[in-house]
Amino acid sequence: DAGVIQSPRHEVTEMGQEVTLRCKPISGHDYLFWYRQTMMRGLELLIYFNNNVPIDDSGMPEDRFSAKMPNASFSTLKIQPSEPRDSAVYFCASSGTSGGADTQYFGPGTRLTVL
Amino acid sequence: QKEVEQDPGPLSVPEGAIVSLNCTYSNSAFQYFMWYRQYSRKGPELLMYTYSSGNKEDGRFTAQVDKSSKYISLFIRDSQPSDSATYLCAISGTYKYIFGTGTRLKVLA
Repeated sequence: DAGVIQSPRHEVTEMGQEVTLRCKPISGHDYLFWYRQTMMRGLELLIYFNNNVPIDDSGMPEDRFSAKMPNASFSTLKIQPSEPRDSAVYFCASSGTSGGADTQYFGPGTRLTVL
Repeated sequence: QKEVEQDPGPLSVPEGAIVSLNCTYSNSAFQYFMWYRQYSRKGPELLMYTYSSGNKEDGRFTAQVDKSSKYISLFIRDSQPSDSATYLCAISGTYKYIFGTGTRLKVLA
């Protein structure tokens, strides 16, 4: 298995622009997580899906952020409009279902810089 | 107060040293405790996974959980330069993980 795939790996954009980050989870996993990592705040959970349905989006910082999962093999995280404080590494992770807290497998991340 | 507290380091040790990494947490409802390792510019990868209190050993790595004091530890024996990375603790009650900010470790050859 190729693992969790994220694109793009790097994104540089200007303030006010729309940014779309993409994720392909591991095949067969039915949980998908979006995280943001910064030096100051560490790794923060933004939102997670179960069977393509958003379960908890309490970590989404504000209305500028939105996430979708149209099918089991694809998810997007969109920021519109982007701001410099959104600069961070965004990770997608997926896990299966076997009871308890299953191992989350992380993608390589998207390094976002908003100028 | 953050739900998980972790000393950010950096921690520098000579090769072969025993390393102790620690986290404290505040919510006693959590039952799953994990340690993830993250190399520079990579995603975190699971290192150790423990359910409830006690010790778990895997090669040079030992994870320890003390639920009475809400304290989790990771010990690395005979540390190697390849162990240089950021180590993140994580706690979970269900599928939602809460991560510490990570401790940066550097093992000097």
